[in-house]
Amino acid sequence: DQQVKQNSPSLSVQEGRISILNCDYTNSMFDYFLWYKKYPAEGPTFLISISSIKDKNEDGRFTVFLNKSAKHLSLHIVPSQPGDSAVYFCAASAGGGGSEKLVFGKGTKLTVNP
Amino acid sequence: KAGVTQTPRYLIKTRGQQVTLSCSPISGHRSVSWYQQTPGQGLQFLFEYFSETQRNKGNFPGRFSGRQFSNSRSEMNVSTLELGDSALYLCASSLAWAGASYEQYFGPGTRLTVT
Repeated sequence: DQQVKQNSPSLSVQEGRISILNCDYTNSMFDYFLWYKKYPAEGPTFLISISSIKDKNEDGRFTVFLNKSAKHLSLHIVPSQPGDSAVYFCAASAGGGGSEKLVFGKGTKLTVNP
Repeated sequence: KAGVTQTPRYLIKTRGQQVTLSCSPISGHRSVSWYQQTPGQGLQFLFEYFSETQRNKGNFPGRFSGRQFSNSRSEMNVSTLELGDSALYLCASSLAWAGASYEQYFGPGTRLTVT
């Protein structure tokens, strides 16, 4: 049972345009959500997070939106740059007990074309 | 500040053997988590240690075990290796738990190939 789903294995956008990566979850106990970026041969790098008490969090070119009723979150990258080309993982945590256990999606490979 | 380090970076083992992977967290981080990454399953949580105690465990067989030392360094052991254990094993450290931060910092991983 996959609790965090990234239904698009890949996404291709032009430089300067908006990239939108989507993530759906099924566990209503999740209360903290994170996005990680992963380059080949490197470990995932934390990008941005959002708590379930918010519906939007912005950091520079990256914005994460959370729709709790739909159990859906998305990552917007504006404007997209070739250096953003990587695999993006959505992750969720049911942190009430302070658990560090993160449940990850399978990732979406983003390619930004110059 | 040095990042999370994992050794070895690459490993080739034969089916039936056992393997030990090592992870050194960022200085001051007390929580270490291990993940397995495969193309088909993505990133899957193995277990998490905090202050030398296993605090959480994922859905992996008992062949997968780990431990954490007093200096927060962690090791992961896989016994009786199977072909399906071939994967990238990632270690992540974080500062604390109980809502202080969920930001985990990942190491580069150990690529294990079982033949």
